[in-house]
Amino acid sequence: KAGVTQTPRYLIKTRGQQVTLSCSPISGHRSVSWYQQTPGQGLQFLFEYFSETQRNKGNFPGRFSGRQFSNSRSEMNVSTLELGDSALYLCASSAGLAGETQYFGPGTRLLVL
Amino acid sequence: GENVEQHPSTLSVQEGDSAVIKCTYSDSASNYFPWYKQELGKRPQLIIDIRSNVGEKKDQRIAVTLNKTAKHFSLHITETQPEDSAVYFCAASRGRMDSSYKLIFGSGTRLLVRP
Repeated sequence: KAGVTQTPRYLIKTRGQQVTLSCSPISGHRSVSWYQQTPGQGLQFLFEYFSETQRNKGNFPGRFSGRQFSNSRSEMNVSTLELGDSALYLCASSAGLAGETQYFGPGTRLLVL
Repeated sequence: GENVEQHPSTLSVQEGDSAVIKCTYSDSASNYFPWYKQELGKRPQLIIDIRSNVGEKKDQRIAVTLNKTAKHFSLHITETQPEDSAVYFCAASRGRMDSSYKLIFGSGTRLLVRP
């Protein structure tokens, strides 16, 4: 099976702009989780989607949002970008309610100038 | 709140020696504990995981032990090789059916295996 894919891989934006990141899970996986990775804060949970529904959300401001489509692909959006949003954004897919194992995509590296 | 502490933050060992990384979790409802290896510029890769109904699990040179009473779990790598050099993350989560299911990660351990 093909692994988790994310697009774009790299992105440069300026403060105040918004950005949309995309994640395609492993075929057959219905759950997508998003994480932010920074040198200072490590890996932090953003949110999880299962069957187009957000099941859980981490401690991030409302500027961070997401959605999942019927084909399980997921997008996350960050509005009004701040310098501190510069990070590697990772998505992970899992089979869903059948298992906990999460498989990560390569990430999107976002730089906010 | 939920928290996972990981030690040490850096670990340097001679090739062939063993390496041990320890984690402590705070959420007593956690019952799934994966370990990920992340090489520079690459995605985290699952190397081993353990569930709370098991005390130890081995996969070739890698083993994980879990002490639910003390809320500790550890990664053991034997006969280390230079290609084991990477950052290792532990994580803890509740069961998949729990609406609060999410991975809480430790801060990572940078392992360097000296040839």
